[in-house]
Amino acid sequence: DGGITQSPKYLFRKEGQNVTLSCEQNLNHDAMYWYRQDPGQGLRLIYYSQIVNDFQKGDIAEGYSVSREKKESFPLTVTSAQKNPTAFYLCASSDRRRELFFGSGTQLSVL
Amino acid sequence: GQNIDQPTEMTATEGAIVQINCTYQTSGFNGLFWYQQHAGEAPTFLSYNVLDGLEEKGRFSSFLSRSKGYSYLLLKELQMKDSASYLCAVYPYNAGNMLTFGGGTRLMVKP
Repeated sequence: DGGITQSPKYLFRKEGQNVTLSCEQNLNHDAMYWYRQDPGQGLRLIYYSQIVNDFQKGDIAEGYSVSREKKESFPLTVTSAQKNPTAFYLCASSDRRRELFFGSGTQLSVL
Repeated sequence: GQNIDQPTEMTATEGAIVQINCTYQTSGFNGLFWYQQHAGEAPTFLSYNVLDGLEEKGRFSSFLSRSKGYSYLLLKELQMKDSASYLCAVYPYNAGNMLTFGGGTRLMVKP
């Protein structure tokens, strides 16, 4: 089945630690996205990538980094510079400005 | 900018009809999306309006008026499972492939 797979579902970060959230898609979509969602809030864009080896900052990129070495993969690293990382992280992909398909999300919490 | 505004919360009764509004200020966009999101889950696609008017899909309908900068999602014959957040989103012309979301409306359906 085609879709987007995010892992892990739950992740805990210690202070000063970098953690990486995985996102893989087999929909053959060019564009991939990372959104952050805080409780009771909407989605805020962290980074997006329209093609391999290219990505752009979204509205809240500080404290995060990404890579796009393969079309299928768009991992997000939450660095120690992100002082308030606790949130629900959603990865998505799309084809030519059409609807977004979302992964099941990763809940990141700070120990 | 592309501010997208939605009411934060709404409450309705099972079996009733509810209208969730979305107003936006953007210089132009291709179309407007509505997504449904249950707590702790990924958003799922509901509708996409490109032209002005009403698009009906079962119990859900979505309306767009570009001249008024306004859209709404209409839910009929409400069921308890319709309790969720409803997100309005657009691809602004000046934002590449970046889908911009409103803050979402949390709908609570009561017996």
